[in-house]
Amino acid sequence: DTGVSQDPRHKITKRGQNVTFRCDPISEHNRLYWYRQTLGQGPEFLTYFQNEAQLEKSRLLSDRFSAERPKGSFSTLEIQRTEQGDSAMYLCASRLLGTGTGELFFGEGSRLTVL
Amino acid sequence: DQQVKQNSPSLSVQEGRISILNCDYTNSMFDYFLWYKKYPAEGPTFLISISSIKDKNEDGRFTVFLNKSAKHLSLHIVPSQPGDSAVYFCAATQTGANNLFFGTGTRLTVIP
Repeated sequence: DTGVSQDPRHKITKRGQNVTFRCDPISEHNRLYWYRQTLGQGPEFLTYFQNEAQLEKSRLLSDRFSAERPKGSFSTLEIQRTEQGDSAMYLCASRLLGTGTGELFFGEGSRLTVL
Repeated sequence: DQQVKQNSPSLSVQEGRISILNCDYTNSMFDYFLWYKKYPAEGPTFLISISSIKDKNEDGRFTVFLNKSAKHLSLHIVPSQPGDSAVYFCAATQTGANNLFFGTGTRLTVIP
């Protein structure tokens, strides 16, 4: 399967701990996106990369959040000092710039539960 | 500030009948619209899209209609099948923008 993969699928942590999620996009895709989905809501944009450059960050991405894509391949999303409000599904998506307009290929998500 | 709205959280339809899912948007700059389908424990998967230069796009059993003056789009599924049971998200974007704005989703249940 060469789709978008995310790890871990589920993370349970205590408030105040740090967590890191990893995303491996489809190999030839140069754009990588992070979205967050809370219960009863649709996915909300957090940030995106073109190759290794982080080009846009949403206001939802507080200072406790940091995302990297060091070699333009996989990406990590770290949340420091987690809060209960961070509990959500974190979705990674990728696409190849120049193909289509907005079609994103999503991974299965990493569900975070902060106790 | 919800720029894309799906006012029906759920919809139940008999197998073989038509399913109509609705979506409204407020940002007149949006010019490309997409529908995604999501099964439990999976990420959203792209279903069908439409550009604002069109008012209809069809792909097999799925047709999306766009009414720009009303800022409204709808997804028609004919005939509906039990495997169509999922959450459907409407999404919108503006050409050149770098993110999609999603609605809150409609859970479709197709009853055999």
